[in-house]
Amino acid sequence: DVKVTQSSRYLVKRTGEKVFLECVQDMDHENMFWYRQDPGLGLRLIYFSYDVKMKEKGDIPEGYSVSREKKERFSLILESASTNQTSMYLCASSLGTGTGGEKLFFGSGTQLSVL
Amino acid sequence: RKEVEQDPGPFNVPEGATVAFNCTYSNSASQSFFWYRQDCRKEPKLLMSVYSSGNEDGRFTAQLNRASQYISLLIRDSKLSDSATYLCVVNGGGMMDSSYKLIFGSGTRLLVRP
Repeated sequence: DVKVTQSSRYLVKRTGEKVFLECVQDMDHENMFWYRQDPGLGLRLIYFSYDVKMKEKGDIPEGYSVSREKKERFSLILESASTNQTSMYLCASSLGTGTGGEKLFFGSGTQLSVL
Repeated sequence: RKEVEQDPGPFNVPEGATVAFNCTYSNSASQSFFWYRQDCRKEPKLLMSVYSSGNEDGRFTAQLNRASQYISLLIRDSKLSDSATYLCVVNGGGMMDSSYKLIFGSGTRLLVRP
């Protein structure tokens, strides 16, 4: 089974702090994604990557950056955390056949609270 | 208008009931459609893909209506374990970078009672 591991289940940070959320997948998937999930808004795509060192903006990239130095690892960075970034963050990966719209495998999520 | 819209529910049904959810999408270029299931405080997991011809997996049937731009999920003989939030997912369609983009509805909550 594919395993997507997020480094923390719960995280509490202060406004202005730099925050790193780490995600690792063990199935050699090409594509990796970061979503945030908020009540009533569903999952919204922040960034995705379809190759090492490649990144594409999703729908809500403002205030975030990403890093993919190795195929298995995709990091989400909050340069200066703000209270409106309090959310559940979900990392996902997919195989990457070039056709898009493939099955996503999710990590168990990181609930980030910014105080 | 949201790109993918779902009735948030909750749908509260007795065990054994049949229940159906609809989901509408706005991008006529979308090519891939899915239903994901999310249990409380858990990550979403793929329930089933939705094909043009419709597809069935045990008690679950998914259908696609391209003309009206909606997909549906039918659950027969509901079980207590079916209680969850069901997420409608549609790909961005069009150019390749959009095809990678999966757009999630905000989910329909189902409660199955004894």
